[in-house]
Amino acid sequence: GAVVSQHPSRVICKSGTSVKIECRSLDFQATTMFWYRQFPKQSLMLMATSNEGSKATYEQGVEKDKFLINHASLTLSTLTVTSAHPEDSSFYICSITRGETQYFGPGTRLLVL
Amino acid sequence: AQSVTQPDIHITVSEGASLELRCNYSYGATPYLFWYVQSPGQGLQLLLKYFSGDTLVQGIKGFEAEFKRSQSSFNLRKPSVHWSDAAEYFCAVGGVAESGGGADGLTFGKGTHLIIQP
Repeated sequence: GAVVSQHPSRVICKSGTSVKIECRSLDFQATTMFWYRQFPKQSLMLMATSNEGSKATYEQGVEKDKFLINHASLTLSTLTVTSAHPEDSSFYICSITRGETQYFGPGTRLLVL
Repeated sequence: AQSVTQPDIHITVSEGASLELRCNYSYGATPYLFWYVQSPGQGLQLLLKYFSGDTLVQGIKGFEAEFKRSQSSFNLRKPSVHWSDAAEYFCAVGGVAESGGGADGLTFGKGTHLIIQP
């Protein structure tokens, strides 16, 4: 398997501020990480693919200027929610790929007031 | 486009009884199929996966799943459930990235909420 951590586990912020979420691969060098969003009692939706050393690939309908992804090293990817609004409140989960299998972090719960 | 259907939103099973959670998928090529379990407020834990070979795959916690290509299904089963199995179960499909650089992002079903009755 693989161990993935996320920080913070939960965050509350005011509308209009930016929030950075970190995703770390603790025991594996991950060239690819994925970011998902999960609304309450719903499924996970893929937001973007984060590739180390290159630009992230965003899914259709995901604003790349709002959800900034940086994958500066093989163990760290960050997701920054810029100018957050209440509708951005969600559970954000990252995953890393090891072979064909994805291993998920514990998630970050974002609440925008 | 790929998709995953989990037709049962909720399932209630008595402790000790058998369990089957249904999953149907749509995918243009040979799929990679996964079952994950999510406990409240937690991330996802991989239960089992199918890439190729034997269509009956064994996973952790006594779970198994059978890939049936003709039915586009990948149902999850457990012969005897425990109270600790109560959770949300997600079926997911993926494949090789078009870039050829490893696995692609996953498409998830909407999940099945499993309730265990004493």
